[in-house]
Amino acid sequence: DTAVSQTPKYLVTQMGNDKSIKCEQNLGHDTMYWYKQDSKKFLKIMFSYNNKELIINETVPNRFSPKSPDKAHLNLHINSLELGDSAVYFCASSQDRKSGARETQYFGPGTRLLVL
Amino acid sequence: RKEVEQDPGPFNVPEGATVAFNCTYSNSASQSFFWYRQDCRKEPKLLMSVYSSGNEDGRFTAQLNRASQYISLLIRDSKLSDSATYLCVVTGRKDSSYKLIFGSGTRLLVRP
Repeated sequence: DTAVSQTPKYLVTQMGNDKSIKCEQNLGHDTMYWYKQDSKKFLKIMFSYNNKELIINETVPNRFSPKSPDKAHLNLHINSLELGDSAVYFCASSQDRKSGARETQYFGPGTRLLVL
Repeated sequence: RKEVEQDPGPFNVPEGATVAFNCTYSNSASQSFFWYRQDCRKEPKLLMSVYSSGNEDGRFTAQLNRASQYISLLIRDSKLSDSATYLCVVTGRKDSSYKLIFGSGTRLLVRP
C-alpha cells in the first residue's frame, strides 16, 4: 500500500496554463506538506497544513494555492504557470506539527513538472 | 550564507570503503537534525536522526557538534546500494510550527 501518493507523476504543460497536483496520505497523519525541488536539487518547503489548517506559507507566489479538503488530502493548484515553475514537487506528511520537528516526514514519489 | 551547507560531491569510493560526509548549519537555535537519503529520481527517505550524544545504526554513524554547528555521517563498509544523495536536514521554527530545512545533498557513488 502506498503511504503518500501523488498524481500525476509527470506533468508537461505550456506557460500560462493552470494545473493541479493531488496528494493523498493513508497514514492517518495530521500534517501535510508541499516541497519544491529545483534543478539544483534544493528541496524547499512551500506549505504545511495541519488538520486542514494552513500553518506554514513560505513566501510562495500567490499563483500557488494549496487546498486541503480533509486531513488526508492536500492538493496544489498553480495558476499562470511560468518557466521557473519547472521542478519536482513533493508532498509529505508527518504525525503532528508540534513534534513534527522530531518525527519522520514521509514523502510522496514526486510530480515532475515541466513548463514549456 | 545557506542555512544548511554540504559538499555536493560526488564522493566516488570502492565497495568496502569508509566514507564521511559533513554538514554545517547556520541557525544555532535548530533543535533537531536528520540525515535523509534520496535515490536518483526518487523521494527522500529518513536515514537516521542525529542526537547530541552521537548515534549508530548498523554501518551508519551520525554525530552532532552543537558548538561548531556541524553534523557528520560516517558510512563503514560501503555497499553498491549505498549509492545515493545524502541530505543533511535541520529544523527551523516558523511561527508555532517547525519546518525541515534541507541541504542540497552530497552525492555518493560506490563502485565495484
